[in-house]
Amino acid sequence: ETGVTQTPRHLVMGMTNKKSLKCEQHLGHNAMYWYKQSAKKPLELMFVYNFKEQTENNSVPSRFSPECPNSSHLFLHLHTLQPEDSALYLCASSQPDRGTNTIYFGEGSWLTVV
Amino acid sequence: ELKVEQNPLFLSMQEGKNYTIYCNYSTTSDRLYWYRQDPGKSLESLFVLLSNGAVKQEGRLMASLDTKARLSTLHITAAVHDLSATYFCAVEVEDDMRFGAGTRLTVKP
Repeated sequence: ETGVTQTPRHLVMGMTNKKSLKCEQHLGHNAMYWYKQSAKKPLELMFVYNFKEQTENNSVPSRFSPECPNSSHLFLHLHTLQPEDSALYLCASSQPDRGTNTIYFGEGSWLTVV
Repeated sequence: ELKVEQNPLFLSMQEGKNYTIYCNYSTTSDRLYWYRQDPGKSLESLFVLLSNGAVKQEGRLMASLDTKARLSTLHITAAVHDLSATYFCAVEVEDDMRFGAGTRLTVKP
């Protein structure tokens, strides 16, 4: 069992759809992240939550809306996406105050926008 | 702004050969991480380097950090096919963690 689980693993959605990606971490970490990985760009940090509070929004378009109800769960709500938003979305967690900030990634959600 | 550059971006090597992947970064940092990503999979932590001169080894992989040169290397010794993957370095400066573009390594028989 991985420490960070993401669902769904694959998602195809139309540009007018509303969908959500879900992430759960079982590591007792306080920080959770959303990253975007595509063929065109290296790993892009999208959002950071620390103790459920959003500490970073890396100039992400409003069609991506994160939600962190508690330290173990993180959602990414998707609405009116564009085809260029098709990518692998990786959730991750870490515990920055344990000396190192090793990030533990989930398996990712492959998103295709048609 | 923190910038992290890896090279090469693509590396094809034969089994049994040695090679080095380089990770340069633009801002003073003493925290550097290496990750591995297999095709279709997520990133897995390989090494954490926390001080100048730090060296870590795991099997055929050895990572080192030179904070003065702002350079980390990932050295591959006697490559085997199982090492084929994409390798990322990540540099941490205060609250910012920035990843390199990745080096896609292919080891051929």
